[in-house]
Amino acid sequence: DAGVIQSPRHEVTEMGQEVTLRCKPISGHDYLFWYRQTMMRGLELLIYFNNNVPIDDSGMPEDRFSAKMPNASFSTLKIQPSEPRDSAVYFCASSLVTPQNEQYFGPGTRLTVT
Amino acid sequence: RKEVEQDPGPFNVPEGATVAFNCTYSNSASQSFFWYRQDCRKEPKLLMSVYSSGNEDGRFTAQLNRASQYISLLIRDSKLSDSATYLCVVKTGNQFYFGTGTSLTVIP
Repeated sequence: DAGVIQSPRHEVTEMGQEVTLRCKPISGHDYLFWYRQTMMRGLELLIYFNNNVPIDDSGMPEDRFSAKMPNASFSTLKIQPSEPRDSAVYFCASSLVTPQNEQYFGPGTRLTVT
Repeated sequence: RKEVEQDPGPFNVPEGATVAFNCTYSNSASQSFFWYRQDCRKEPKLLMSVYSSGNEDGRFTAQLNRASQYISLLIRDSKLSDSATYLCVVKTGNQFYFGTGTSLTVIP
């Protein structure tokens, strides 16, 4: 299996632009998670899905952020409009339905907003 | 108060040393606990889950103390390849909370 796939790996954009991050989870995994990592705040859970349905989006910072999962093999995280403080590494992770919910992370998208 | 707190370190230890990290959590209702490892500029990877009775995987031992609300990770006979940041993770209800990580450098 290829693991969790994220694209793009790096994104540099100007303030105010729309940014779309993409994720393909491991085939057969029921859960998909979006995280953001910064030096100051560490790794933060933004939102997660179970069987394509958003379960908890309490970590989404504000209305500029939105996430969708139109099918079991694809999810997007969109920021519109982007701001410099959104600069971070965004990780997608997926897991099976297990008591321990072990998560497998993608390589991340490094976002820089200037 | 943060949900999960870790000593950021850094911990610099010689090869072969034993090193231990602690992580405290604030919610007594937390139900699952994990240690992840993250190498520089890489994604986190699961190191081990933490079970109530404690568990061991080779040189790594994880323990949970519910009364004091902390989990620990012990690494014996440290290797150079153990150098990384170690993140503790606590699941509370629907939420997963990551600590900010403890940096370990194993020195030759």
